[in-house]
Amino acid sequence: QKEVEQDPGPLSVPEGAIVSLNCTYSNSAFQYFMWYRQYSRKGPELLMYTYSSGNKEDGRFTAQVDKSSKYISLFIRDSQPSDSATYLCAMNAGTGGYNKLIFGAGTRLAVHP
Amino acid sequence: KAGVTQTPRYLIKTRGQQVTLSCSPISGHRSVSWYQQTPGQGLQFLFEYFSETQRNKGNFPGRFSGRQFSNSRSEMNVSTLELGDSALYLCASSLLSRTNTGELFFGEGSRLTVL
Repeated sequence: QKEVEQDPGPLSVPEGAIVSLNCTYSNSAFQYFMWYRQYSRKGPELLMYTYSSGNKEDGRFTAQVDKSSKYISLFIRDSQPSDSATYLCAMNAGTGGYNKLIFGAGTRLAVHP
Repeated sequence: KAGVTQTPRYLIKTRGQQVTLSCSPISGHRSVSWYQQTPGQGLQFLFEYFSETQRNKGNFPGRFSGRQFSNSRSEMNVSTLELGDSALYLCASSLLSRTNTGELFFGEGSRLTVL
């Protein structure tokens, strides 16, 4: 079993839909949870990170972490064709300020007009 | 501000050869990490360097090695290439902080094909 599980999709939605992306993980020691977005032929870019349990909102994006269930989510409101990309969840297994990210498989999202 | 620069962007090698990939981090970033991305295994951590020292290492064989120079630029080397080493190799740089927010800035990658 992988440390981080993520449904690879693909997920196809109409423009304006609310998108829900999810990951589960097994290591209860993880404290920082990240969502990266990767466009085709590009490197991943950080969308947002969350510390411990709770919600974090940034524009149309909301990240949720439920540590008791070892479950994290990313919601995209009013989805746009420009949101079409692969979304990767990640957890930081590093300590002392050093980063060792464990990524999910990535969910490919297509938003059609 | 210039982003993370990786060279070469594309390369083709044959089995048994070795390859060296280069990464220039964002100015001021002293931490450099390397990741391998394949369709089957996804993104996997290779190693992280800070101040010319390897701080973390992933679960890869010793054929994979790296180094960091005093100007924070980094190289990774793969010796005795195997078909399974075909992948996108991504370099990421970051600022060192007390917290592990995982804020990495990735380059566009070096796509290696092994024939």
